[in-house]
Amino acid sequence: DSGVTQTPKHLITATGQRVTLRCSPRSGDLSVYWYQQSLDQGLQFLIQYYNGEERAKGNILERFSAQQFPDLHSELNLSSLELGDSALYFCASSGGGLAGVYEQYFGPGTRLTVT
Amino acid sequence: SQKIEQNSEALNIQEGKTATLTCNYTNYSPAYLQWYRQDPGRGPVFLLLIRENEKEKRKERLKVTFDTTLKQSLFHITASQPADSATYLCALGSSYKLIFGSGTRLLVRP
Repeated sequence: DSGVTQTPKHLITATGQRVTLRCSPRSGDLSVYWYQQSLDQGLQFLIQYYNGEERAKGNILERFSAQQFPDLHSELNLSSLELGDSALYFCASSGGGLAGVYEQYFGPGTRLTVT
Repeated sequence: SQKIEQNSEALNIQEGKTATLTCNYTNYSPAYLQWYRQDPGRGPVFLLLIRENEKEKRKERLKVTFDTTLKQSLFHITASQPADSATYLCALGSSYKLIFGSGTRLLVRP
């Protein structure tokens, strides 16, 4: 158990809909990262927050947004969903704000299926 | 653009042997390199981190090397066990990002 929690575990929704994925980092960790993993793309970095502020952005679509709240939990919002958005979405946390410097602890993931 | 190459074919070895996985990269000079283990349907689990000024790092049965001239990292598991069967991801790191390779699947036969 990494100490990172994600809800929900599974999500099935239709194209065009909007969903929110939630992540609680390990106790004491200030950084939260979001990743998308699909079969043909591997683990793709989406966005990082550190202590409530956006720190780095990866290949995140404009239809996707995220935020980190004062209690450090984070939410990833996916809107106007398309079939290609079906994937595993992972949240990870680390103690520091420098992505490559610290090991990251991953949650169990949310499996999103868009039909 | 940055490219990370890990063998897409599964590595199939006998229990007790040493498994060696390769991570090659181009168009990038990472200051850090990390290795993770991922089991099907689960989140990656951190294994080792090595810095660019370190040649080798060990942890129990695991050993990682980092050759910045060859732009390559090797990941070794000695005395491999069936429980080591998983996908192993290398990740290149700078201060602001960590980029993952697509991973190599390791199968250890009893």
